[in-house]
Parts: sequence; C-alpha cells; structure tokens
Amino acid sequence: DQQVKQNSPSLSVQEGRISILNCDYTNSMFDYFLWYKKYPAEGPTFLISISSIKDKNEDGRFTVFLNKSAKHLSLHIVPSQPGDSAVYFCAASVLDSNYQLIWGAGTKLIIKP
Amino acid sequence: TAGITQAPTSQILAAGRSMTLRCTQDMRHNAMYWYRQDLGLGLRLIHYSNTAGTTGKGEVPDGYSVSRANTDDFPLTLASAVPSQTSVYFCASSAGGAGANVLTFGAGSRLTVL
Repeated sequence: DQQVKQNSPSLSVQEGRISILNCDYTNSMFDYFLWYKKYPAEGPTFLISISSIKDKNEDGRFTVFLNKSAKHLSLHIVPSQPGDSAVYFCAASVLDSNYQLIWGAGTKLIIKP
Repeated sequence: TAGITQAPTSQILAAGRSMTLRCTQDMRHNAMYWYRQDLGLGLRLIHYSNTAGTTGKGEVPDGYSVSRANTDDFPLTLASAVPSQTSVYFCASSAGGAGANVLTFGAGSRLTVL
C-alpha cells in the first residue's frame, strides 16, 4: 500500500506553458514534503520543500502547493523550459522519524519545444 | 567536486554470488542511506546510518547488510544475490536526519543479477 502516490507516470507540456505535477498521500501524520528532480544516469537532486504549517512555497519558477484536507500536493513549474525534462519524485516524512522519507513512484516530465 | 561517489557504475552478477557496492562522501555528513529504485515503485530505503558506528534497517533490508566504520564510507553488501535484487541502487547522505534535511545522492549503481 503506497503512502505517497504519483498517479501520472508521465506528462508532456509545451515549452513556455505551465507544468503541474501532482502527488497524493494517505498518512495524515506526514508533516514535511519534498520534491526531487532526477535526470537519467544521475541521482535525484532536491528541488523544493514545504512544511505542513504552510500551504504554499515558492522558489523562482517552482511553486509547491499543499492541500492538507485533500492530502494532496502539487508542483507548478512556470514557464516550463527544456531543461525541466526529468523525472520528478514527491517524498513525505514525519519530522520526528529521523530517517524515513516515503517516496512516490515519480512522474516523467517531457517539455516539448 | 564535493559529493557522493558510488562504485561500480554498473555490474552484472551471477545469482548466488556476493557483491559490495561502495559509497564514499566528502561532505562530513552524519547520516547516510542506501535506496533501491525500481520502476513504478519509487525509491525504497534499504538501510541507513545516523552516525558512524550505527546502522538501522529501512523498508526493504532483507538480503542486504551495511557497515559504517567511519563518517565517509557506507558500503552495501549482498551476501548471496538473487534476481529480485536487480535494481538501481542509490547512496545518499544528509547533515542530519532525513525528515527535514536535504539528501545528497550519488549517481547510482545499476546491478543486474542473472
């Protein structure tokens, strides 16, 4: 039973448009959420995070929205650029767990020129 | 470049053989982790170490062992490989616990068990 779900295995978006990647979770104890980005043959790299005390966090072209009542978060990328083509992983944790991140399966984002 | 070095990059291994995946970090991070990535499943934690001298089991520890003799090195050993251990393995580290700390990942080791 996956506690963190990314239901779209892939997403194709036109360059310059907005990319919206979605993530759902089932464990109401999660209080910290992160997005990582992964290029082929590389390890994941941290992109942006959000604490459960917030509903939005913004960093340049990247914004993460958290809807706790729906147990849903989304990553918005605007405008989308070719270099954004990658696999995006959503991860969640309980802050006092000390080591455990629960990961989604990832969404492959393809930015079309 | 500072970060995590994993070796080998890829390996084909006969079932029943043993294998050690190496991981070295130069950031003096306290915590280190081993994940496996399988299609459709995301990353799953195998073992972790919060500090040198200590280790712990993650979500999928069976068939794997780790050691943390010093801060920098965190090898992962498969004592007797099985085909279900075919995967891409990522080593990661963080300054503190993974809960609220950014993980730095290595480039991965692709292992195929035949």
